[in-house]
Amino acid sequence: EVQLVESGGGLVQPGGSLRLSCAASGFTFSNYWIHWVRQAPGKGLVWVSNINYDGGSTTYADSVKGRFTISRDNAKNTLYLQLNSLRAEDTAVYYCARRSGTGPLYGLDVWGQGTTVTVSS
Amino acid sequence: IQLTQSPSFLSASVGDRVTITCRASQGISNYLAWYQQKPGKAPKLLISAASTLQSGVPSRFSGSGSGTEFTLTISSLQPEDFATYYCQHLNSYLPGTFGQGTKVEIK
Repeated sequence: EVQLVESGGGLVQPGGSLRLSCAASGFTFSNYWIHWVRQAPGKGLVWVSNINYDGGSTTYADSVKGRFTISRDNAKNTLYLQLNSLRAEDTAVYYCARRSGTGPLYGLDVWGQGTTVTVSS
Repeated sequence: IQLTQSPSFLSASVGDRVTITCRASQGISNYLAWYQQKPGKAPKLLISAASTLQSGVPSRFSGSGSGTEFTLTISSLQPEDFATYYCQHLNSYLPGTFGQGTKVEIK
């Protein structure tokens, strides 16, 4: 079964750090770009970051640039998102998602179940 | 690039034809996807490349448009279609973007 499973969320104080993981199975992980998308409570979807096949290219939303770092370990079939300098507005469910093909014609066809990050004192 | 969906909320009955619009702040060719999200669940990809239906998605869903204006149409709304719908533009080397969402509720 093709799936993505996130972990690592939790409660953290403002200014703190967390590392999220996204474990892939059922497909050749190294063949796909992977994205992070978040959703604050009761709000819409917000794109956060993406990474190419080998980790050589990464892109970030302006709201997280310089604070979050996306990376991947293809040998472990795992994606990571390092969250630093966390703010209350980073509170959200974080999803990892696979892009179904190369280029802007393709959408995100496989999603994890999400992991919840709560930033609060 | 910003995506603006309309309406933000709509109330409809089973069997109704429903249309949701997504407008881009600049031309994006056909580089647009549509997703369905139900409460507490991850989004589900319905349509990519503006009009390509994903495998397993019912044919009552369709997408159209190019450039700056796009539509998602549900030809005959079913009980399982009550959900929130999002459009999305992804450019591999630039930040991605979602529309703000359209919630479809039962009238």
